[in-house]
Amino acid sequence: DIQMTQSPSSLSASVGDRVTITCRASQGIGNYLAWYQQKPGKVPKLLIYAASTLQSGVPSRFSGSGSGTDFTLTISSLQPEDVATYYCQKYNSAPLTFGGGTKVEIK
Amino acid sequence: EVQLVQSGAEVKKPGESLKISCKGSGYSFTSYWIGWVRQMPGKGLEWMGIIYPGDSDTRYSPSFQGQVTISADKSISTAYLQWSSLKASDTAMYYCARRFGEFDYWGQGTLVTVSS
Repeated sequence: DIQMTQSPSSLSASVGDRVTITCRASQGIGNYLAWYQQKPGKVPKLLIYAASTLQSGVPSRFSGSGSGTDFTLTISSLQPEDVATYYCQKYNSAPLTFGGGTKVEIK
Repeated sequence: EVQLVQSGAEVKKPGESLKISCKGSGYSFTSYWIGWVRQMPGKGLEWMGIIYPGDSDTRYSPSFQGQVTISADKSISTAYLQWSSLKASDTAMYYCARRFGEFDYWGQGTLVTVSS
């Protein structure tokens, strides 16, 4: 089965900083990659699908890129409301594995 | 409006059985896969399996195969996740989600606590 590895597992950045999270698949998955945001105590929320398509209503400071095995989620200017754990997920075929998560905090 | 409404929190003893539910509305329930996701306390998201309510085709994560059963009743637009014998390690939040490729809509979660 394909493994999904996220890095870093946590990060601390200042408001306004550019933040980059990486997700690597152990085999190619095309662009079948989604990113989710989970705020503390809340339900996960879809941010990006097809590696780079922003879900409706998601702020434009979020962006995704990549294909094949290497993917990136970028927050162009970190805001206090972005404090959350971010997960990638492959969805080309079962198992629809999640990455281990990246916890983003404000410095 | 698409909604997935899950059943309420459960407190069970080890060895007991349990079936939790996820009722879909606002869309064609038989046309989309429904997935189940586990989140243990303080941990990440784990994909458990998915079911296509149209024909009950079901796929399981190798980690959960044989440990749980996923089913659906399309007549009442409801998917289920069940255990025949709970363990303390099953204590977690369980989410259902609609699969549109990715998981685009999520239920509110069902907290399952297993304790003697």
